[in-house]
Amino acid sequence: EAQVTQNPRYLITVTGKKLTVTCSQNMNHEYMSWYRQDPGLGLRQIYYSMNVEVTDKGDVPEGYKVSRKEKRNFPLILESPSPNQTSLYFCASSLFRSSYEQYFGPGTRLTVT
Amino acid sequence: GQQLNQSPQSMFIQEGEDVSMNCTSSSIFNTWLWYKQEPGEGPVLLIALYKAGELTSNGRLTAQFGITRKDSFLNISASIPSDVGIYFCAGHQTGANNLFFGTGTRLTVIP
Repeated sequence: EAQVTQNPRYLITVTGKKLTVTCSQNMNHEYMSWYRQDPGLGLRQIYYSMNVEVTDKGDVPEGYKVSRKEKRNFPLILESPSPNQTSLYFCASSLFRSSYEQYFGPGTRLTVT
Repeated sequence: GQQLNQSPQSMFIQEGEDVSMNCTSSSIFNTWLWYKQEPGEGPVLLIALYKAGELTSNGRLTAQFGITRKDSFLNISASIPSDVGIYFCAGHQTGANNLFFGTGTRLTVIP
């Protein structure tokens, strides 16, 4: 089944404790992206990647890192999480940058205390 | 980044009623997409529009790409309880590497 998977689905952590949220797609998509979703603010892009080893900042990149060492994986790293990073996170992928039709993972709900 | 304005923010309707929602921007977009998000899930693509004036259907859903390229509309006919969710519009601009999303319309269908 074609899909985007994220792990973990739920995570509660404390301020400053480094964490990684994994994202994997099995559709051989070139483009991958991370979003955060907050009430009243919709989906905001954190980082995106147009291909292996090519990443760039989205609208809200501060406090996050990403890497794209393999085509299928695009982990999101929070080196020192803070409470304002409590949010619902989505990974998405699309076949090419120009296809625009992005497929989303099921989401990761992160709480930072 | 840009934000798209969606209206209404929320709707409560009776089962069987038709639904209309829209998405507007002060800028021109060359692609409009409509997504639905159900509780606990990620957004799922419903319809993609690529030409001004284009009208596209997906079952009971119909979406239109506005002539001015600054807006898009989504209609749902004969709503059913499983239509419940948040509907997001998204737009793409020429040369951009990302999508811009609206803030969503939350739809509640009363049986």
